[in-house]
Amino acid sequence: LAKTTQPISMDSYEGQEVNITCSHNNIATNDYITWYQQFPSQGPRFIIQGYKTKVTNEVASLFIPADRKSSTLSLPRVSLSDTAVYYCLVGDWAGGGADGLTFGKGTHLIIQP
Amino acid sequence: NAGVTQTPKFQVLKTGQSMTLQCAQDMNHEYMSWYRQDPGMGLRLIHYSVGAGITDQGEVPNGYNVSRSTTEDFPLRLLSAAPSQTSVYFCASRRGTDRNEQFFGPGTRLTVL
Repeated sequence: LAKTTQPISMDSYEGQEVNITCSHNNIATNDYITWYQQFPSQGPRFIIQGYKTKVTNEVASLFIPADRKSSTLSLPRVSLSDTAVYYCLVGDWAGGGADGLTFGKGTHLIIQP
Repeated sequence: NAGVTQTPKFQVLKTGQSMTLQCAQDMNHEYMSWYRQDPGMGLRLIHYSVGAGITDQGEVPNGYNVSRSTTEDFPLRLLSAAPSQTSVYFCASRRGTDRNEQFFGPGTRLTVL
């Protein structure tokens, strides 16, 4: 199973763009990269998923270089409400196993006024 | 749609007691899973199911049982509660075609004395 490494915590300010990078050196060919957001006392919420290059939705962008050994979650113009823990997951559950279900400790993002 | 629902929200048990945490989803999702989250930690997979009648162990299955008799329900049973099982428990589900996009329930906060 691909292991991920991400910073334990990050700080930023309202209105800034925040980039959180995740390393996954042993990512497999069929693996996808998925990011979740978790607020205190709530279950994680899916943010974005990608396989290669760039994916963008209404909430965030995900940048994946050609070698796919890392990925960067980009949050544009953050607000105080973006303070949360962000998890990077790598895997492919299409085969029916538990691959891709492993959450690390995540990155605790703190947004200040 | 109610999404993923969990009951109870809070529970206090004494060591040695048994109980069942309920999880239900109304999205006709094939896959369901149970996680536990301890303070300052990420989520750890307990058990998962790829369809009715099929279950498998995750990272930390000891002390827990599951069954999947219907698509909608995936209860988690604690056979003989121990203080080490004090945690927040999350249930999640996803469609078979949506790889790692899981939908999480609100969680059950369990304390074992």
